[in-house]
Amino acid sequence: EIVMTQSPATLSVSPGERATLSCRASQSVSSNLAWYQQKPGQAPRLLIYGASTRATGIPARFSGSGSGTEFTLIISSLQSEDFAVYYCQQYNNWPGLTFGGGTKVEIK
Amino acid sequence: QLQLQESGPGLVKPSETLSLTCTVSGGSISSRSYYWGWIRQPPGKGLEWIGSIYYDGSAYYSPSLKIRVTISVDTSKNQFSLKLSSVTAADTAVYHCARRSGDGWYYFDYWGQGTLVTVSS
Repeated sequence: EIVMTQSPATLSVSPGERATLSCRASQSVSSNLAWYQQKPGQAPRLLIYGASTRATGIPARFSGSGSGTEFTLIISSLQSEDFAVYYCQQYNNWPGLTFGGGTKVEIK
Repeated sequence: QLQLQESGPGLVKPSETLSLTCTVSGGSISSRSYYWGWIRQPPGKGLEWIGSIYYDGSAYYSPSLKIRVTISVDTSKNQFSLKLSSVTAADTAVYHCARRSGDGWYYFDYWGQGTLVTVSS
């Protein structure tokens, strides 16, 4: 099983500031990585796939990068609606899809 | 707009079988472009993929849950279902159904809101 490790567990950021979230895979997943946003009581929302491609309707302030084992999600200027939990998911290993433990982005 | 809605009992006794159904609206479950899956989330914890199914009934399961899981599809009702046997308290979670993307890669582009299933006597 490919283990996905996200850091930090919690990120305190002021509105308008930049947030940098990390996701590390225990072995290479190439660029087969997705990022999701989840707000309390809601379903996860796809943000990024292919490590760096924004999903339909996702604002340009969200950007993803990385390949292999190291990945980053950057939110360039945090808006109030961006405070949420973010998960990464690898889909390089099928049928062993795995998610990271999540990073909570909270208001500083 | 595609919508997925989970339904089923919110309380299951230990050792029994958890059964949930996902109803798809706004699109056909018989489309050859998509797989349909189940993902769960224990309270306060992260996401765990359970398994996925194609419209023809081909199913794939998480290795860690494989011996207890069955996913089936009913194209006439535009639904797919999950059965998880021999449940314990560790199976208490919000269960989401979701659609795999249409580009052939296994990330999920549409999700249901999820339904909480509690395992307790």
